Parts: sequence; C-alpha cells; structure tokens
Amino acid sequence: GAVVSQHPSRVICKSGTSVKIECRSLDFQATTMFWYRQFPKQSLMLMATSNEGSKATYEQGVEKDKFLINHASLTLSTLTVTSAHPEDSSFYICSAREPGRSLTDTQYFGPGTRLTVL
Amino acid sequence: GNSVTQMEGPVTLSEEAFLTINCTYTATGYPSLFWYVQYPGEGLQLLLKATKADDKGSNKGFEATYRKETTSFHLEKGSVQVSDSAVYFCALSTGAGSYQLTFGKGTKLSVIP
Repeated sequence: GAVVSQHPSRVICKSGTSVKIECRSLDFQATTMFWYRQFPKQSLMLMATSNEGSKATYEQGVEKDKFLINHASLTLSTLTVTSAHPEDSSFYICSAREPGRSLTDTQYFGPGTRLTVL
Repeated sequence: GNSVTQMEGPVTLSEEAFLTINCTYTATGYPSLFWYVQYPGEGLQLLLKATKADDKGSNKGFEATYRKETTSFHLEKGSVQVSDSAVYFCALSTGAGSYQLTFGKGTKLSVIP
C-alpha cells in the first residue's frame, strides 16, 4: 500500500522555540493531507485539513497562528508549532489521501511525531 | 455532531481466545465505518471497512458488521495471535464531500502466549 512518512519521529525542544514537522507521501500524490493530535489514552483529534496550493482549514479550537500548516507540493505538508509550550507536548500524526478517491477509500497514515516541550 | 464510542481497554487475552471490541457511533447521515490498527511504533493502518448497513468488513481473520439498527460496528476475531497485539481504533466518515475521520479513543489489545 501507499506509504506516508513523518520527520522527525521524536523531537524535544525548549519552551518558546518553534518546531517543524514534515509529512511526505512517498509513492503517490496527495492533494489532501490531514493533521491529527493524540493525547495519551485519547483519540486522534483532527486539527486541520491541508489542501495543496491553498490555505489549510482548521478545526474549531485550533489556533491557526500557533499551528502553521503549509502544503506546498503534492507530496509534502508541514506543521510548524510556533512558540511551543509544555502543553503543546503531544503525538502529532498526519494522513494523506490520493486525489480522485471516493469517500470510502482509505487515508494513509504516517507513523507520528512525538513532541516534548521542556 | 459525529462521535464514536469504543470499549475501554486495555484488553488482555490468551493466544487463541475470542476477541470482541465494541464500537458504537452517532452520526448525521449515513456514515462509512472503519477499524484501524496501530502496531507499536507504526502508523495507523486500515484493517477493514463497511460502507452501508449490513455490510461486513473482513481482513486478517477480523470481522465487523455495520448494524444500523444498533448503530454499532463491533470488531471480532475467533482466535487471536500474539502478533495481533496493537491498539485498535474505530472510526467513521460521513458524506457531503468530507473525508474527515472521527475516531474512538482506541483499545489496546495484548495477547499473551
């Protein structure tokens, strides 16, 4: 099946710094990518939908100025956590779908990035 | 809004035991239903899906039937293996051009030899 990668897999940063997480579709072009956040023992919460060449659509309660999303190409979306604070520590997961797929076709998920803010 | 409720874990079973992980949902319209599995250190993978009422999704010995009358999509397997140890997520997606998934909290399954 299709492969989605994320980089880095784990990052530790100091409070107040910014962190960029990359999500790549390795063997297909993804017009739409999704960013999720997962807290321990909690479900994946959708943060935003990223469409290639246009602005991301953020879910209610997600600060667009804090979580910057750029979908510059059909194979790459980035999530930048700006001025990170300890409460931003979490597991961030991206997913991607191929264009032209129906609603019922699968999304392909990356392995996730563990962010720890000290 | 949409929501998915699945049984709390963790679940610990002996090898070859029968597995059931309950999942119920609330949704507007007619959702498609999914089970995803997350093995340690890996991303979520689609395990099976069902797109309409009474459909049965199956894969790798796992099955789930879309029950509209009970708004459920319980995951079952007749004989689990150690390699089935993972976290299982029930999810739904509704129409109207949305490809967004709504997930349950996940159920961690541990199978012991």
